[in-house]
Amino acid sequence: NAGVMQNPRHLVRRRGQEARLRCSPMKGHSHVYWYRQLPEEGLKFMVYLQKENIIDESGMPKERFSAEFPKEGPSILRIQQVVRGDSAAYFCASSALRDSGANVLTFGAGSRLTVL
Amino acid sequence: SQQGEEDPQALSIQEGENATMNCSYKTSINNLQWYRQNSGRGLVHLILIRSNEREKHSGRLRVTLDTSKKSSSLLITASRAADTASYFCATDAETTDSWGKLQFGAGTQVVVTP
Repeated sequence: NAGVMQNPRHLVRRRGQEARLRCSPMKGHSHVYWYRQLPEEGLKFMVYLQKENIIDESGMPKERFSAEFPKEGPSILRIQQVVRGDSAAYFCASSALRDSGANVLTFGAGSRLTVL
Repeated sequence: SQQGEEDPQALSIQEGENATMNCSYKTSINNLQWYRQNSGRGLVHLILIRSNEREKHSGRLRVTLDTSKKSSSLLITASRAADTASYFCATDAETTDSWGKLQFGAGTQVVVTP
């Protein structure tokens, strides 16, 4: 079991370009979460998805950011028209069905976006 | 806003010493979890304590939870250089509109020197 796989690990974009970050959840996990981490800070929740459904996107900026988790294939976090403030590490996590009130996340290694 | 706040922000100790860090949170929770992050890596789950538990152990880790004070502590005993990492608390809130997402604090950076 390869765990949560994220790619690319590092991505450099110029202002105005698009960034696409991919995440394949751990085998058997149907819940996917995206978090953003700025340098020296904790993780900020962005979005929670299940297959073909966005469950909670309360942490997503209203513009330029979108996420999907299609029936087939990885989850995608898409950032359009990137700005320097989007530079951060983006972590994907997955979990199995919520059981006994506990939601333990398995994290990927992250995708580090640098906007020039 | 951050749900969990860790204290101290940074901690430097020598191998063999104990490391203690604290976490305070704001809303009612189902459980509280601690994660570790090595530099440049993803977070790794360490331990979970439920709201009806007061103390839990896992190897060299000891976690306490005081729901009346909305606080938790993580103790690492007999620290090793490999324990050098950032440690985050994360809360799983009780409200239904928070279902599924964890709220993380800003973390405590622990450096263990040989």
